[in-house]
Amino acid sequence: GNSVTQMEGPVTLSEEAFLTINCTYTATGYPSLFWYVQYPGEGLQLLLKATKADDKGSNKGFEATYRKETTSFHLEKGSVQVSDSAVYFCALSASGAGSYQLTFGKGTKLSVIP
Amino acid sequence: DADVTQTPRNRITKTGKRIMLECSQTKGHDRMYWYRQDPGLGLRLIYYSFDVKDINKGEISDGYSVSRQAQAKFSLSLESAIPNQTALYFCATSDFGFQPQHFGDGTRLSIL
Repeated sequence: GNSVTQMEGPVTLSEEAFLTINCTYTATGYPSLFWYVQYPGEGLQLLLKATKADDKGSNKGFEATYRKETTSFHLEKGSVQVSDSAVYFCALSASGAGSYQLTFGKGTKLSVIP
Repeated sequence: DADVTQTPRNRITKTGKRIMLECSQTKGHDRMYWYRQDPGLGLRLIYYSFDVKDINKGEISDGYSVSRQAQAKFSLSLESAIPNQTALYFCATSDFGFQPQHFGDGTRLSIL
């Protein structure tokens, strides 16, 4: 079956530090890959996506590249801000049993301190 | 107004009670989903519906039921609530294919 493994948190960084959150996946076929962000007290919001190998998704200074050879979709940001404190979920969408369900990783909590 | 609205936002109830969580959307999407979120476990799919006449069980459907009353409305019921159903519940919608899902703000449910 499909699965997503992302680095466990929590992750604590100082403002302006470099961020990497690792994500690897197992899927049949050719999945689409997503990063969602959940701010405190809110639902999940799509942060970025990539639909085929070597695609780079980017948004709000975050980037992730779809690497088929390493089955990875690591999230990066060059300089984090306090407002980036949230829980980040890696997810994939792949056809299986006639559906396009999302499979989520367990989430990584990021705290950015001034 | 939110595109995906969940009611109530918070609910505290007792073991054995019947509970309904409601979700409505204005995005015009055909597909709707119910997830539960538990600390350290991420989101797990309870039920999903691809149209009004199509209801499917997800990973953890035991103890839950759903009703798709219209394209825009999808409700989740706990017929006899138990404490281990205490969790944060999310409704989501999507368009066809590999389109991303759009989430409501969640319902925090506590069962005593």
